[in-house]
Amino acid sequence: AQKITQTQPGMFVQEKEAVTLDCTYDTSDQSYGLFWYKQPSSGEMIFLIYQGSYDEQNATEGRYSLNFQKARKSANLVISASQLGDSAMYFCAMMTGTASKLTFGTGTRLQVTL
Amino acid sequence: DSGVTQTPKHLITATGQRVTLRCSPRSGDLSVYWYQQSLDQGLQFLIQYYNGEERAKGNILERFSAQQFPDLHSELNLSSLELGDSALYFCASSVGGGGQALSGANVLTFGAGSRLTVL
Repeated sequence: AQKITQTQPGMFVQEKEAVTLDCTYDTSDQSYGLFWYKQPSSGEMIFLIYQGSYDEQNATEGRYSLNFQKARKSANLVISASQLGDSAMYFCAMMTGTASKLTFGTGTRLQVTL
Repeated sequence: DSGVTQTPKHLITATGQRVTLRCSPRSGDLSVYWYQQSLDQGLQFLIQYYNGEERAKGNILERFSAQQFPDLHSELNLSSLELGDSALYFCASSVGGGGQALSGANVLTFGAGSRLTVL
């Protein structure tokens, strides 16, 4: 079975600061992918970043980077230089080589303040 | 615009009724996924189709059914609706179908969702 855990229900960060959203995962598969999605109040799900289990370097996409620590089974999302528009719900998700579905965590609500 | 089209955007109906939600995947994507998002249960995987065939099944109720057509669009049918079926239903598509060869081709692109309210 695969499981994603996001332990921070809510986070606050000041504009222009960096913030780390935590995500731990559990799977016995060697091949898996980790994903982060953003859901603003408007409701759509926006893909942010992907990390494969065999990728040697941490993924980066603009202001988003994924701090992948395989031994600790963690895949934290780092947002640099936070903007007001970053206020949203953030979901960590995993897909494994033996299960083609994407399993989501419970999400972290990020609020960016002035 | 993500390229994944879902209709209708909003739907209000009564208990016991039946509704159909429609999804057109991004051009070139072969996989379609259906998810249900409710306040108490979060994002729940319902079902996945890949190139017309069912690939994976999640917590989909027997009252719910889905299919993917030859043109790759998909429909999710919800019948004998109950109050608890009120939720946001997402369709997502991807190029890949999951499985061993995981890569960026398995990134799911989501539609804007269909918000179902059962009264």
